[in-house]
Amino acid sequence: TQLLEQSPQFLSIQEGENLTVYCNSSSVFSSLQWYRQEPGEGPVLLVTVVTGGEVKKLKRLTFQFGDARKDSSLHITAAQPGDTGLYLCAGNNAGKSTFGDGTTLTVKP
Amino acid sequence: DAGVIQSPRHEVTEMGQEVTLRCKPISGHDYLFWYRQTMMRGLELLIYFNNNVPIDDSGMPEDRFSAKMPNASFSTLKIQPSEPRDSAVYFCASSHRTSVQQYFGPGTRLTVT
Repeated sequence: TQLLEQSPQFLSIQEGENLTVYCNSSSVFSSLQWYRQEPGEGPVLLVTVVTGGEVKKLKRLTFQFGDARKDSSLHITAAQPGDTGLYLCAGNNAGKSTFGDGTTLTVKP
Repeated sequence: DAGVIQSPRHEVTEMGQEVTLRCKPISGHDYLFWYRQTMMRGLELLIYFNNNVPIDDSGMPEDRFSAKMPNASFSTLKIQPSEPRDSAVYFCASSHRTSVQQYFGPGTRLTVT
């Protein structure tokens, strides 16, 4: 079984603060994705990383894939209330995705 | 495109009843996935199809669960008989063979009393 552990499980911060959430595994993945899920909705893809060491930026969000393709991080700069949600990482192999348990982020105005 | 469509959005049923969840994937997508999400276990893959054929059903919890995909635009997940521990949000997702990106539907919130 390929397990993905996300940390922290819960994070509550003030608007304007920076934060980093982590996604770790003992398994190697061909690619890894980050999703954000809002209450009452399905997860929505934010980014896919494929190459070890890859860094992708999406406005205030920076995603990094570990060199060994076993772990990843998501850094948010100057968080805003609209960033509130459940952040899920998913590792992919052979067409199948394994999801982490997620980090629930709350950004207070 | 309307995205992945799921019905019903909410289902409340009594233990022992049959439950059928429905999904219409995005047109042109080759893969269809059924997931279950709970607070305790997170998002779990139950089964996925490629070109209407079940590829991996190792996540289906037990024989009470079954899934079908009779054509490229429709899939069902059936629970018979339902039990309170089946209460969860069930998501359907689809993707195109050229991408690992999955598009999720809004989910069906199932409550079994």
